[in-house]
Amino acid sequence: AQRVTQPEKLLSVFKGAPVELKCNYSYSGSPELFWYVQYSRQRLQLLLRHISRESIKGFTADLNKGETSFHLKKPFAQEEDSAMYYCALSSGSGNTGKLIFGQGTTLQVKP
Amino acid sequence: GAGVSQSPRYKVAKRGQDVALRCDPISGHVSLFWYQQALGQGPEFLTYFQNEAQLDKSGLPSDRFFAERPEGSVSTLKIQRTQQEDSAVYLCATGIGYSGNTIYFGEGSWLTVV
Repeated sequence: AQRVTQPEKLLSVFKGAPVELKCNYSYSGSPELFWYVQYSRQRLQLLLRHISRESIKGFTADLNKGETSFHLKKPFAQEEDSAMYYCALSSGSGNTGKLIFGQGTTLQVKP
Repeated sequence: GAGVSQSPRYKVAKRGQDVALRCDPISGHVSLFWYQQALGQGPEFLTYFQNEAQLDKSGLPSDRFFAERPEGSVSTLKIQRTQQEDSAVYLCATGIGYSGNTIYFGEGSWLTVV
């Protein structure tokens, strides 16, 4: 079955510390993976997608097919990074709007 | 407006009542998705439209759930005979293309069934 697992409900770090939000997936095929973010009182928005191989707001994520992981990393956390983060997998045969989401991880960056 | 607009933002329904949730997409967006997000969970796919055609309704949990997009723009998600387990945030998302494009989410409609 296709599934996305985010093992941590809450991750709390101090400002300036490195951050790694974990995401593992199960999928039979070539997955397309995303990270979405929801800041307080804002709508869910795309942070990055693995095919773009870009860094957004200092965050990067590398698809590791051997470990079936797509962990989100940032070397130095900022207070404004505090938000809910969702890892998601596209399951719709090229329809990247049909997504399977993980349960989400709340990132709390303390001053 | 600049983004996906959903209404009502908050709805309290008595068990057994019918509800209708509306989604106004970004102008020109072809693809439209509905998701259900229960408390403490990630969003779960319900259904997908390409213009007025409902191409995928595999995520609708029961025949009490019905969605339409008659003119390929505004969409309505209808829930008949609401049950407590229907309490959730219902998210609409739209995309400019048919596939392979970024989708943009609305703020959601919070449904509480009492």
